Amino acid sequence: EVQLLESGGGLVQPGGSLRLSCAASGFTLSSYAMSWVRQAPGKGLQWVSAISRSGGATYYADSVKGRFTISRDTSKNTLYLQMHSLRAEDTAVYYCAKEEYGDYWGDWGQGTLVTVSS
Amino acid sequence: SYELTQPLSVSVGPGQTAIITCGAKNIGSKNVHWYQQKPGQAPVLVMYRDIKRPSGIPERFSGSNSGNTATLTISRAQAGDEADYYCHVWDSSIGVLGGGTKLTVL
Repeated sequence: EVQLLESGGGLVQPGGSLRLSCAASGFTLSSYAMSWVRQAPGKGLQWVSAISRSGGATYYADSVKGRFTISRDTSKNTLYLQMHSLRAEDTAVYYCAKEEYGDYWGDWGQGTLVTVSS
Repeated sequence: SYELTQPLSVSVGPGQTAIITCGAKNIGSKNVHWYQQKPGQAPVLVMYRDIKRPSGIPERFSGSNSGNTATLTISRAQAGDEADYYCHVWDSSIGVLGGGTKLTVL
């Protein structure tokens, strides 16, 4: 059974940093592309970042480019999202999602809440 | 940038057909996927590559995609179908999501 377990969320001050983790089980991370998708309180879903199956390519939404970095540790079967220079508008629940054939998100984690506030 | 347009809300009576649209220029040339999200829960895939239903999704759910509009159709709508629905495409390796449609079955 595929499971995705996000962690690392919390309260951080504007300008601060946070690293989110997504522990994967039931499949091998190195065989799939993965995405981070976020949802601000009361708002819709927003794609944040993706990493290719090979890990050699990464992609970002314009709103986070240069501030966020997606990566993975295949030995730990874990996906990461390093976030710097956080802003109030980054406040959201962050989900990791497994891409099927690099196309659609067939499995999602339960999400981790990031709150950026002073 | 590529944008997907969804109606904010759709309301139908129980047993009726709900049609949720996702509009964008030439969306028919892309693979469109749909997710259902109930309050406090993670999204769930309900349709992929325009017309394909994941296992476990009722046959009442169907999809289409042509021209500038993709559509998710829910036949014989039930109270349990009440949720937010999002369409999704890729545009030059960038993920694009619609704003979401709140389906009410009353």
